[in-house]
Amino acid sequence: EAGVVQSPRYKIIEKKQPVAFWCNPISGHNTLYWYRQNLGQGPELLIRYENEEAVDDSQLPKDRFSAERLKGVDSTLKIQPAELGDSAVYLCASNSGTSAYNEQFFGPGTRLTVL
Amino acid sequence: AQTVTQSQPEMSVQEAETVTLSCTYDTSESDYYLFWYKQPPSRQMILVIRQEAYKQQNATENRFSVNFQKAAKSFSLKISDSQLGDAAMYFCAYRASSGTYKYIFGTGTRLKVLA
Repeated sequence: EAGVVQSPRYKIIEKKQPVAFWCNPISGHNTLYWYRQNLGQGPELLIRYENEEAVDDSQLPKDRFSAERLKGVDSTLKIQPAELGDSAVYLCASNSGTSAYNEQFFGPGTRLTVL
Repeated sequence: AQTVTQSQPEMSVQEAETVTLSCTYDTSESDYYLFWYKQPPSRQMILVIRQEAYKQQNATENRFSVNFQKAAKSFSLKISDSQLGDAAMYFCAYRASSGTYKYIFGTGTRLKVLA
């Protein structure tokens, strides 16, 4: 079974440029999470989807960040325009339900560097 | 608000020895879940072990075990017979059993295993 797939793995952009990250969760997983992990820190939730509905986006900086999960499968996270402080690893995770016992599976992440 | 604290930024252990990583948390909830995740260098985060707060018995998974002290809000991870492959960042995480289902991660402990 394929794991959570993310692309690209690395991205370097100039500040004020747009950038997008893509995530394909494990087949059948209806819950999808986007996290931001700053250097030396733990992951922080940006947004959580249940199927195609964003049920928790309270930590998403909506002035520059947007996300979508059309058809409740893969998802895209966008930043426009990027700022220097957005440099981080962006992690996608999925699981098969809202039960905490259901393990979260993480993707390899996208390392974003904003110059 | 719930918080998770890992006070050891870095730990070292000799191969085949035992090491304990500390984690404390703060919550007003009575029912919740606690997790330890492992993040090897440039690799995906994976679940090591989980504990349900309503269970008094400490969870164990092969060489990994926890010491869960609910009253003290402490959740430490013990790694026995440490192996070179155990070298990684370890994150403690909390999730309430109801409500937002949001995972709260600590800042991590980097474990070095010395040959």
